[in-house]
Amino acid sequence: KAGVTQTPRYLIKTRGQQVTLSCSPISGHRSVSWYQQTPGQGLQFLFEYFSETQRNKGNFPGRFSGRQFSNSRSEMNVSTLELGDSALYLCASGLMGYGYTFGSGTRLTVV
Amino acid sequence: AQSVTQLDSHVSVSEGTPVLLRCNYSSSYSPSLFWYVQHPNKGLQLLLKYTSAATLVKGINGFEAEFKKSETSFHLTKPSAHMSDAAEYFCVVSFFYGQNFVFGPGTRLSVLP
Repeated sequence: KAGVTQTPRYLIKTRGQQVTLSCSPISGHRSVSWYQQTPGQGLQFLFEYFSETQRNKGNFPGRFSGRQFSNSRSEMNVSTLELGDSALYLCASGLMGYGYTFGSGTRLTVV
Repeated sequence: AQSVTQLDSHVSVSEGTPVLLRCNYSSSYSPSLFWYVQHPNKGLQLLLKYTSAATLVKGINGFEAEFKKSETSFHLTKPSAHMSDAAEYFCVVSFFYGQNFVFGPGTRLSVLP
């Protein structure tokens, strides 16, 4: 059974640019969540999608957005990148009550 | 509000000795609790979960955790550490079956030869 797939694994962008990250959940999982991991702030919840609807949202500025498609694949977008957006972005898919399976993440570096 | 405290930012043990990673939580409701492990430059792997069934939960790789409601704790243990256990461990609380996980700050486990 394939795991959670995140692409790309690594990205380097310059300040002011925008970026789109992709996540393919485990087949059959309808819930996809996104997290940002930085050394200073740890793991922080960005948002969760279920059946193409945003169900929960963390405390991040509007520059961070996401969406989910009918096949449960999800994308997150960050516009007007700042140096502080450099982080490991993790996607997780799951079934209610069973916990989440995480992907290996996309490491974004903003220069 | 929910919160998770991991009392030690770094734990160092010798190979073959027991491991204890401490976690306390705060939740207004009956929580679901999880332990995840993250090896360097890797994603997070689920070790074990508590979702209001047995209070002693067994996970992968010989880890187990005990839910103690009176102490609001969910400490992770392993009888004998292995070099491959060196990683970052995260305690996670969720009161609505996996929605909106709240992560603890993490405990880095070092295993000395």
